[in-house]
Amino acid sequence: DAGVTQSPTHLIKTRGQQVTLRCSPISGHKSVSWYQQVLGQGPQFIFQYYEKEERGRGNFPDRFSARQFPNYSSELNVNALLLGDSALYLCASSPGFFNTEAFFGQGTRLTVV
Amino acid sequence: GQQLNQSPQSMFIQEGEDVSMNCTSSSIFNTWLWYKQEPGEGPVLLIALYKAGELTSNGRLTAQFGITRKDSFLNISASIPSDVGIYFCAGQLNSGGSNYKLTFGKGTLLTVNP
Repeated sequence: DAGVTQSPTHLIKTRGQQVTLRCSPISGHKSVSWYQQVLGQGPQFIFQYYEKEERGRGNFPDRFSARQFPNYSSELNVNALLLGDSALYLCASSPGFFNTEAFFGQGTRLTVV
Repeated sequence: GQQLNQSPQSMFIQEGEDVSMNCTSSSIFNTWLWYKQEPGEGPVLLIALYKAGELTSNGRLTAQFGITRKDSFLNISASIPSDVGIYFCAGQLNSGGSNYKLTFGKGTLLTVNP
Protein backbone atom coordinates (compact mmCIF):
# COMPACT_ATOMS: atom_id res chain seq x y z
CA ASP A 1 0.00 0.00 0.00
CA ALA A 2 1.18 3.53 -0.78
CA GLY A 3 2.09 5.71 2.16
CA VAL A 4 1.41 9.40 2.52
CA THR A 5 2.55 11.20 -0.61
CA GLN A 6 3.38 14.89 -0.84
CA SER A 7 4.17 17.11 -3.77
CA PRO A 8 6.32 18.81 -4.72
CA THR A 9 9.33 17.51 -2.78
CA HIS A 10 11.26 20.76 -3.10
CA LEU A 11 10.18 24.29 -3.91
CA ILE A 12 11.87 27.67 -4.12
CA LYS A 13 9.73 30.80 -3.91
CA THR A 14 10.32 34.52 -3.64
CA ARG A 15 9.15 36.64 -0.73
CA GLY A 16 5.58 37.80 -1.23
CA GLN A 17 4.62 34.92 -3.49
CA GLN A 18 1.98 32.31 -2.76
CA VAL A 19 2.52 28.54 -2.57
CA THR A 20 0.29 25.46 -2.61
CA LEU A 21 1.46 22.15 -1.20
CA ARG A 22 -0.38 18.89 -1.79
CA CYS A 23 -0.89 15.73 0.22
CA SER A 24 -2.51 12.36 -0.48
CA PRO A 25 -3.22 10.35 2.66
CA ILE A 26 -2.97 6.61 3.11
CA SER A 27 -5.94 4.87 1.53
CA GLY A 28 -8.78 4.68 4.04
CA HIS A 29 -7.43 7.46 6.25
CA LYS A 30 -9.87 10.32 6.72
CA SER A 31 -7.76 12.69 8.82
CA VAL A 32 -4.98 14.86 7.43
CA SER A 33 -2.79 17.14 9.49
CA TRP A 34 -0.13 19.63 8.46
CA TYR A 35 3.04 20.40 10.37
CA GLN A 36 5.87 22.86 9.87
CA GLN A 37 9.38 21.72 10.77
CA VAL A 38 12.06 24.37 10.97
CA LEU A 39 15.66 23.14 10.87
CA GLY A 40 16.74 21.83 14.25
CA GLN A 41 13.24 21.74 15.71
CA GLY A 42 10.45 19.26 16.06
CA PRO A 43 7.35 19.57 13.86
CA GLN A 44 4.81 22.25 14.82
CA PHE A 45 1.09 21.67 14.29
CA ILE A 46 -0.57 23.89 11.68
CA PHE A 47 -3.95 22.31 10.79
CA GLN A 48 -6.03 19.18 11.11
CA TYR A 49 -8.79 18.25 8.70
CA TYR A 50 -11.22 15.40 9.23
CA GLU A 51 -14.04 14.52 6.89
CA LYS A 52 -13.32 17.67 4.88
CA GLU A 53 -13.78 20.00 7.85
CA GLU A 54 -11.14 21.95 9.75
CA ARG A 55 -10.95 20.44 13.22
CA GLY A 56 -8.01 22.34 14.61
CA ARG A 57 -5.57 25.11 13.92
CA GLY A 58 -2.20 25.81 15.46
CA ASN A 59 -0.64 29.15 16.25
CA PHE A 60 -0.02 30.26 12.67
CA PRO A 61 -1.10 33.50 10.93
CA ASP A 62 -4.06 33.75 8.58
CA ARG A 63 -1.64 33.61 5.65
CA PHE A 64 -1.80 29.86 6.17
CA SER A 65 -4.91 28.09 4.96
CA ALA A 66 -5.81 24.56 3.97
CA ARG A 67 -8.61 22.42 2.67
CA GLN A 68 -9.50 18.77 2.31
CA PHE A 69 -11.17 17.31 -0.75
CA PRO A 70 -13.87 14.58 -1.00
CA ASN A 71 -11.15 11.99 -1.72
CA TYR A 72 -9.47 13.10 1.57
CA SER A 73 -6.44 14.61 -0.15
CA SER A 74 -5.45 18.02 1.12
CA GLU A 75 -3.78 21.26 0.11
CA LEU A 76 -1.89 23.73 2.26
CA ASN A 77 -1.73 27.30 0.99
CA VAL A 78 0.61 29.98 2.23
CA ASN A 79 0.19 33.57 1.01
CA ALA A 80 2.58 36.51 1.14
CA LEU A 81 5.57 34.29 1.83
CA LEU A 82 8.17 35.46 4.32
CA LEU A 83 11.76 34.28 4.67
CA GLY A 84 10.74 32.67 7.97
CA ASP A 85 8.31 30.39 6.17
CA SER A 86 11.27 28.39 4.88
CA ALA A 87 10.85 24.94 6.39
CA LEU A 88 9.96 21.33 5.79
CA TYR A 89 6.18 21.02 5.56
CA LEU A 90 4.92 17.64 6.64
CA CYS A 91 1.58 16.04 6.03
CA ALA A 92 0.34 13.29 8.32
CA SER A 93 -2.63 11.00 7.88
CA SER A 94 -4.46 8.89 10.41
CA PRO A 95 -7.52 6.69 10.24
CA GLY A 96 -9.75 8.65 12.57
CA PHE A 97 -10.36 11.96 14.21
CA PHE A 98 -8.06 11.66 17.18
CA ASN A 99 -4.96 11.52 15.04
CA THR A 100 -3.26 8.78 17.04
CA GLU A 101 -0.59 6.84 15.16
CA ALA A 102 -0.20 9.60 12.59
CA PHE A 103 1.84 8.52 9.57
CA PHE A 104 3.94 11.20 7.91
CA GLY A 105 4.86 11.86 4.31
CA GLN A 106 8.39 12.73 3.23
CA GLY A 107 7.59 16.42 3.33
CA THR A 108 7.93 19.39 1.02
CA ARG A 109 11.09 21.45 1.51
CA LEU A 110 10.10 25.10 0.94
CA THR A 111 12.81 27.71 0.56
CA VAL A 112 11.81 31.37 0.44
CA VAL A 113 14.41 33.73 -1.00
CA GLY B 1 4.77 26.96 19.89
CA GLN B 2 4.96 24.49 22.75
CA GLN B 3 7.58 21.78 22.55
CA LEU B 4 8.33 18.98 24.93
CA ASN B 5 11.61 18.79 26.82
CA GLN B 6 13.59 16.01 25.21
CA SER B 7 17.02 14.89 26.38
CA PRO B 8 19.74 14.44 25.58
CA GLN B 9 19.93 16.72 22.56
CA SER B 10 22.52 14.47 20.96
CA MET B 11 24.32 11.20 21.62
CA PHE B 12 27.44 9.70 20.08
CA ILE B 13 27.81 6.02 20.92
CA GLN B 14 29.66 2.90 19.85
CA GLU B 15 27.91 0.14 17.96
CA GLY B 16 26.51 -2.43 20.39
CA GLU B 17 25.86 0.04 23.21
CA ASP B 18 22.44 0.64 24.70
CA VAL B 19 20.78 4.04 24.39
CA SER B 20 18.27 5.80 26.58
CA MET B 21 16.44 9.06 25.92
CA ASN B 22 13.49 10.71 27.61
CA CYS B 23 10.85 13.31 27.20
CA THR B 24 9.04 15.42 29.79
CA SER B 25 6.10 17.77 29.68
CA SER B 26 4.52 20.30 32.01
CA SER B 27 1.09 19.00 31.05
CA ILE B 28 -0.38 15.51 30.83
CA PHE B 29 -0.95 13.48 27.71
CA ASN B 30 -3.15 10.47 26.97
CA THR B 31 -0.90 9.18 24.21
CA TRP B 32 2.85 9.19 23.75
CA LEU B 33 4.46 8.44 20.41
CA TRP B 34 8.10 7.96 19.40
CA TYR B 35 9.27 8.76 15.88
CA LYS B 36 12.56 8.46 14.01
CA GLN B 37 13.49 10.88 11.25
CA GLU B 38 16.33 10.43 8.78
CA PRO B 39 17.70 13.20 6.54
CA GLY B 40 15.29 14.22 3.78
CA GLU B 41 12.50 12.07 5.14
CA GLY B 42 9.42 12.51 7.25
CA PRO B 43 9.18 11.07 10.77
CA VAL B 44 8.49 7.32 10.95
CA LEU B 45 6.38 5.99 13.81
CA LEU B 46 8.31 3.58 16.05
CA ILE B 47 6.15 3.01 19.11
CA ALA B 48 2.76 4.23 20.39
CA LEU B 49 1.81 4.21 24.08
CA TYR B 50 -1.78 4.63 25.27
CA LYS B 51 -1.87 4.02 29.01
CA ALA B 52 0.06 5.39 31.99
CA GLY B 53 2.66 2.86 33.06
CA GLU B 54 2.51 0.98 29.78
CA LEU B 55 5.76 -0.61 28.61
CA THR B 56 5.91 -1.53 24.92
CA SER B 57 8.63 -3.09 22.79
CA ASN B 58 9.28 -3.08 19.08
CA GLY B 59 12.30 -5.25 18.36
CA ARG B 60 15.31 -3.65 20.05
CA LEU B 61 13.23 -0.62 21.03
CA THR B 62 11.39 -0.31 24.33
CA ALA B 63 9.33 2.67 25.44
CA GLN B 64 7.36 3.47 28.56
CA PHE B 65 4.51 5.83 29.32
CA GLY B 66 5.25 7.54 32.63
CA ILE B 67 2.91 7.06 35.58
CA THR B 68 2.38 10.81 35.92
CA ARG B 69 1.41 10.97 32.21
CA LYS B 70 3.93 13.79 31.87
CA ASP B 71 6.91 11.80 30.67
CA SER B 72 8.09 8.93 28.51
CA PHE B 73 11.36 7.24 27.72
CA LEU B 74 12.76 5.26 24.82
CA ASN B 75 15.52 2.66 25.07
CA ILE B 76 17.42 1.15 22.17
CA SER B 77 19.40 -1.98 22.94
CA ALA B 78 22.51 -3.18 21.11
CA SER B 79 22.64 -0.20 18.74
CA ILE B 80 23.60 -0.68 15.11
CA PRO B 81 24.72 1.87 12.49
CA SER B 82 21.26 2.07 10.90
CA ASP B 83 19.89 3.42 14.19
CA VAL B 84 21.43 6.77 13.24
CA GLY B 85 18.86 9.53 13.00
CA ILE B 86 16.83 12.01 15.01
CA TYR B 87 14.38 10.56 17.51
CA PHE B 88 11.32 12.60 18.43
CA CYS B 89 8.81 12.12 21.18
CA ALA B 90 5.28 13.40 20.67
CA GLY B 91 2.37 13.72 23.05
CA GLN B 92 -1.35 13.91 22.41
CA LEU B 93 -4.16 14.70 24.84
CA ASN B 94 -7.18 13.25 22.98
CA SER B 95 -9.70 15.06 25.10
CA GLY B 96 -11.64 16.67 22.28
CA GLY B 97 -11.73 20.33 21.36
CA SER B 98 -8.40 21.32 19.89
CA ASN B 99 -6.28 18.85 21.82
CA TYR B 100 -5.82 16.13 19.22
CA LYS B 101 -2.70 17.73 17.78
CA LEU B 102 0.68 16.13 18.30
CA THR B 103 3.12 18.17 20.38
CA PHE B 104 6.72 17.25 19.60
CA GLY B 105 10.02 17.43 21.41
CA LYS B 106 13.06 19.02 19.76
CA GLY B 107 14.58 15.64 19.07
CA THR B 108 17.62 13.58 20.06
CA LEU B 109 20.28 13.20 17.39
CA LEU B 110 21.79 9.72 17.61
CA THR B 111 25.12 8.91 15.99
CA VAL B 112 26.44 5.34 16.09
CA ASN B 113 30.11 4.72 15.51
CA PRO B 114 30.71 1.33 13.83
